[in-house]
Amino acid sequence: EAGVAQSPRYKIIEKRQSVAFWCNPISGHATLYWYQQILGQGPKLLIQFQNNGVVDDSQLPKDRFSAERLKGVDSTLKIQPAKLEDSAVYLCASSVKGGGLNEQYFGPGTRLTVT
Amino acid sequence: QKEVEQNSGPLSVPEGAIASLNCTYSDRGSQSFFWYRQYSGKSPELIMFIYSNGDKEDGRFTAQLNKASQYVSLLIRDSQPSDSATYLCAVRYSGNTPLVFGKGTRLSVIA
Repeated sequence: EAGVAQSPRYKIIEKRQSVAFWCNPISGHATLYWYQQILGQGPKLLIQFQNNGVVDDSQLPKDRFSAERLKGVDSTLKIQPAKLEDSAVYLCASSVKGGGLNEQYFGPGTRLTVT
Repeated sequence: QKEVEQNSGPLSVPEGAIASLNCTYSDRGSQSFFWYRQYSGKSPELIMFIYSNGDKEDGRFTAQLNKASQYVSLLIRDSQPSDSATYLCAVRYSGNTPLVFGKGTRLSVIA
């Protein structure tokens, strides 16, 4: 079974530029998550989708971050404009469904450096 | 603000010893608890979960949950150098709410 795919793996941009990340979850997984992991900290949820609907985006900085999962499969996360403090690893995860004891499978992540 | 607290470490143990990792959480009504392992530069992978008070064993790993004291721990028996990683505690407070992760404890097993 193929795992969660993410691209690009690395990205370096200057502050105020825009960037987009892509995620393809495990086939059949209805729930998709985007996390931000700053060096030395645990992952922080940015947004959770159930199929193509948003379940939780309470910690998404909506003035600069946006995410979509239009067809309920793959997803994109965009930052526009980027700030220095956005430097982090952006992890995508998926699960069969949300909540309970459903295991979340993480992708390899995208390491973003904002200079 | 729901919080999950872990000692950042590093926790150093000799090979073959028992490593004990601890985690406390703020919301007494929390329902399920997860331990993830994250190697440097890699993504987290699930080790085990627990939702009932007491112990749950899986191979060399034992998760312990005490809801009255609001802590969960992970014991690693016969620690190996390959266990050297950051261990993340994650808590689900209810139903379909997302996981809240601690900052992780860095474990170093010395050969």
